[in-house]
Amino acid sequence: EVQLVESGGGLVQPGGSLRLSCVGSGFIFNADWISWVRQTPGKGLEWVANIKQSGSEKYYVDAVKGRFTVSRDNAKNSVYLQLNSLRAADTAIYYCVRLKWFAFETWGQGTMVTVSS
Amino acid sequence: EIVLTQSPGTLSLSPGERATLSCRASQSGSSNYLAWYQQKPGQAPRLLIYGASNRATGIPDRFSGSGSGTDFTLTISRLEPEDFAVYYCQQYGSSLWTFGQGTKVEIK
Repeated sequence: EVQLVESGGGLVQPGGSLRLSCVGSGFIFNADWISWVRQTPGKGLEWVANIKQSGSEKYYVDAVKGRFTVSRDNAKNSVYLQLNSLRAADTAIYYCVRLKWFAFETWGQGTMVTVSS
Repeated sequence: EIVLTQSPGTLSLSPGERATLSCRASQSGSSNYLAWYQQKPGQAPRLLIYGASNRATGIPDRFSGSGSGTDFTLTISRLEPEDFAVYYCQQYGSSLWTFGQGTKVEIK
């Protein structure tokens, strides 16, 4: 069974940092792009970042450029999202997702990030 | 950036009825890279349709996608009780992925 499991969410103050992790199983991890997608009650679903199989290409939505960094360690079947300079608007459930056919094919259960003082 | 507008916002139907959901893009994306997702409360979204008309693995054939260019449709031929949920469209274009705001299909 293809599975993605996120961890690392929590409560952080504005301006703070957090590192999210995602572990994949049930598929050839280094064969796929991996994405992060977030969801807020107010703005719905928003794509955040993608990372290529080798990690050589990364893409970000404008709202997080310069603050978030995506990386991966294929030896550990893991992808990471480093969140810096966090703002209240970053409060959301963050999903790790396998990207296939330019669509978000398999989703993790999500990890909640709350930015509040 | 492509903006996706879904209509209607809410669709009130009875089990067994046909559901037609619309997704309109502000500009044409890359080769019909349009997808549809279903989300139920407390769950992550689930991919239904990719490439505008291809059903994802395990998706029942009562779900179908159509359209091209800037106008796309998700059709559920006969609503089952488990189909009442929120549906999102999503498109890829110019290294960006965007979602529509969602259509809620509720029991009438």
